[in-house]
Amino acid sequence: GAGVSQSPSNKVTEKGKDVELRCDPISGHTALYWYRQSLGQGLEFLIYFQGNSAPDKSGLPSDRFSAERTGGSVSTLTIQRTQQEDSAVYLCASSSGPQTTIYFGEGSWLTVV
Amino acid sequence: GEDVEQSLFLSVREGDSSVINCTYTDSSSTYLYWYKQEPGAGLQLLTYIFSNMDMKQDQRLTVLLNKKDKHLSLRIADTQTGDSAIYFCAETPGVRGNTGKLIFGQGTTLQVKP
Repeated sequence: GAGVSQSPSNKVTEKGKDVELRCDPISGHTALYWYRQSLGQGLEFLIYFQGNSAPDKSGLPSDRFSAERTGGSVSTLTIQRTQQEDSAVYLCASSSGPQTTIYFGEGSWLTVV
Repeated sequence: GEDVEQSLFLSVREGDSSVINCTYTDSSSTYLYWYKQEPGAGLQLLTYIFSNMDMKQDQRLTVLLNKKDKHLSLRIADTQTGDSAIYFCAETPGVRGNTGKLIFGQGTTLQVKP
């Protein structure tokens, strides 16, 4: 597609429920990133996929967070047993490879009540 | 470790120039970026500069890079009210153990007064 597409754009969920956030990267981009932006906070790196290499999961805050990337394209970020502190904007980005320009989607706004 | 710092707030009058500053610590950074975030929106890539350049101009935007001092700036000429947003500086740390991820500053809120 023309840009990085994320869904849902907004999600309200109850504490303890699981949520899935989806990212469609720019067509042909091999690198995909997830970031989190909490209210009043900066941008926090979560996970990075590059081609068929093992993902860099160093930014995932707990084992409740996981991400997959199927077929080297679409990615899903899953948050299990959501907590109120998980409320944030989850931003996905893609690029044509490491050390190349990175483009962001509009984000998925998650609110845990 | 890697760190990127920005001042948090800048206020200018419409028509003036704005200069947003950023410092970083990783001397092996390859790309340095400026992103813009308007309220309720995602991150928009404004411009970027390779670390082997010291200046890049793109219409009203001028990026200056002082690699010796690890200082990056974004100048917006003839600032308009539509430029009001948060501006994030970001770097991709050097290839030593790097996977290409971006390290962001805290963001500078630019307020443009009519």
